[in-house]
Amino acid sequence: NAGVTQTPKFRVLKTGQSMTLLCAQDMNHEYMYWYRQDPGMGLRLIHYSVGEGTTAKGEVPDGYNVSRLKKQNFLLGLESAAPSQTSVYFCASSYSTGNTEAFFGQGTRLTVV
Amino acid sequence: RKEVEQDPGPFNVPEGATVAFNCTYSNSASQSFFWYRQDCRKEPKLLMSVYSSGNEDGRFTAQLNRASQYISLLIRDSKLSDSATYLCVVNTGFQKLVFGTGTRLLVSP
Repeated sequence: NAGVTQTPKFRVLKTGQSMTLLCAQDMNHEYMYWYRQDPGMGLRLIHYSVGEGTTAKGEVPDGYNVSRLKKQNFLLGLESAAPSQTSVYFCASSYSTGNTEAFFGQGTRLTVV
Repeated sequence: RKEVEQDPGPFNVPEGATVAFNCTYSNSASQSFFWYRQDCRKEPKLLMSVYSSGNEDGRFTAQLNRASQYISLLIRDSKLSDSATYLCVVNTGFQKLVFGTGTRLLVSP
């Protein structure tokens, strides 16, 4: 049972390059999330989705776009990477946002130089 | 004011000690509460949910005080393996989970 899988796990980008982070879950969860984690800042919500075909902005959405074309996949795109986007990115999914557990992927360590 | 606030620590305790962490939240409409554990360079994992009546899971006890808007986690008989960062998580009711910055615990022999 894979749970939540993120690809890639590591990436180095040059300023201005674009990339897409892929999150896949096999638990049939409705809700999916993208967070970034920076030292001293905790996890901050970038975008989230409450179901296939829907997305919404979180706390720090600028510079990122997302898509949820299939229920099991949630893609995070960086159109023009900036050094400020150097971070660890975590994807998570949950059955709902009630009193249910959120499951996290292993994270993507992104460095923008 | 941050939506969820925690003392970042680190808390340095010897094995066998009892340690408590607190967390405050600002949104009185928050619906559910959790403690997650995050090991170094790993993903967060659910430690326990926090219920209004308080709940216990082995050496771990979580409590919620809605009137004062804080959550606590008590760890008894600390083990070396308890060394980690503990994240307070609040469901604010707007279809999103809000994480505290985490409290780092170091248990020494």
